[in-house]
Amino acid sequence: AQKITQTQPGMFVQEKEAVTLDCTYDTSDQSYGLFWYKQPSSGEMIFLIYQGSYDEQNATEGRYSLNFQKARKSANLVISASQLGDSAMYFCAMREGRGFKTIFGAGTRLFVKA
Amino acid sequence: DAGVTQSPTHLIKTRGQQVTLRCSPKSGHDTVSWYQQALGQGPQFIFQYYEEEERQRGNFPDRFSGHQFPNYSSELNVNALLLGDSALYLCASSFSSNNQPQHFGDGTRLSIL
Repeated sequence: AQKITQTQPGMFVQEKEAVTLDCTYDTSDQSYGLFWYKQPSSGEMIFLIYQGSYDEQNATEGRYSLNFQKARKSANLVISASQLGDSAMYFCAMREGRGFKTIFGAGTRLFVKA
Repeated sequence: DAGVTQSPTHLIKTRGQQVTLRCSPKSGHDTVSWYQQALGQGPQFIFQYYEEEERQRGNFPDRFSGHQFPNYSSELNVNALLLGDSALYLCASSFSSNNQPQHFGDGTRLSIL
């Protein structure tokens, strides 16, 4: 069965530094997609970055990059040059290629310190 | 370009009542998914609608039902409300291609007294 694990309930980072949020996943499918979302305290879920299982290069979107290690089944999010506005919950999610259901991890709360 | 819109924003109901939540997808999107997010947890998939039919369902009882209209908008209905149904209900829309990210609305916060 598919599963997403985020082992860091909370993380602190100094403003302007980089931070890595961990995500491991479990699936028996060869085709799947991995997503990261940001959820500020206001509640909306904001899409950040996507990595397909067949993509050979790590995805990047501005200050966000995804460190995809397929053999280890990990999809860590790296945020460079952290900003105060990055303080939020971050969710890792996966959708298997054969299905339409997206499953989410428990999330990591990131605190950016000035 | 309007994003995903949900209504109402907040709702208070009592046990045993029924509730209907509404969602309009982002322009150009034809697929709508519903999620339940309990406090401090990640969203849990309820079901997805495409071409006015439910095409996949998560582990939720039949009290949770939905509908998609020809204009792609959707409703989530919950009958016989329980205290445990208190949560943020998120609607997400996407284009039917499976590698496309979902775009979420701001959610409806449902409180059951």
